[in-house]
Amino acid sequence: AQKVTQAQTEISVVEKEDVTLDCVYETRDTTYYLFWYKQPPSGELVFLIRRNSFDEQNEISGRYSWNFQKSTSSFNFTITASQVVDSAVYFCALSEAGGYQKVTFGTGTKLQVIP
Amino acid sequence: DAGITQSPRYKITETGRQVTLMCHQTWSHSYMFWYRQDLGHGLRLIYYSAAADITDKGEVPDGYVVSRSKTENFPLTLESATRSQTSVYFCASSGGSQGDQPQHFGDGTRLSIL
Repeated sequence: AQKVTQAQTEISVVEKEDVTLDCVYETRDTTYYLFWYKQPPSGELVFLIRRNSFDEQNEISGRYSWNFQKSTSSFNFTITASQVVDSAVYFCALSEAGGYQKVTFGTGTKLQVIP
Repeated sequence: DAGITQSPRYKITETGRQVTLMCHQTWSHSYMFWYRQDLGHGLRLIYYSAAADITDKGEVPDGYVVSRSKTENFPLTLESATRSQTSVYFCASSGGSQGDQPQHFGDGTRLSIL
């Protein structure tokens, strides 16, 4: 069975600080996909990034970066120079490849950026 | 506009009543999903559907019924609502077939059962 753990329930940082959200996953599959979603206070869920299990290259998109390490089964998300608009709940998710698409979500990390 | 829409956005009902949450997507995505979101549990999958007339249980299916007679619609029915089903419900769709595509979510339905 697949599992996603986001051990950090809530994080508070002061604006402009860097912050890393941790995600640890478990799966027996060799082919799988990892995702991050953002849920701002308005409630909608927004897709941020996807990474497949064969691509361990880190990715940077503006102030956001993702560090995927298969050796530690982790897919961490770093926000550089955080802003108030980054305040949200962030979910990490895992999908195993196969005929039916089932995604397991972590319990989320609530990030509060204080001005 | 293309997208995925849920209705109603808010619903209050009483224990024992039947309630149906609607979900409609315009992308012609094969996969559709229903989740509930509760504090401390994140998102939990209730049911999913790989195509019209193909549905399967997720992690927490008890007390819920789904149908998918058309690709674009995926209603979720609580046959006899209980207070434990008070939650925020999200519908999602995905164009992938191998788990590789992200899910696109509706805005959610906040359901309160008194």
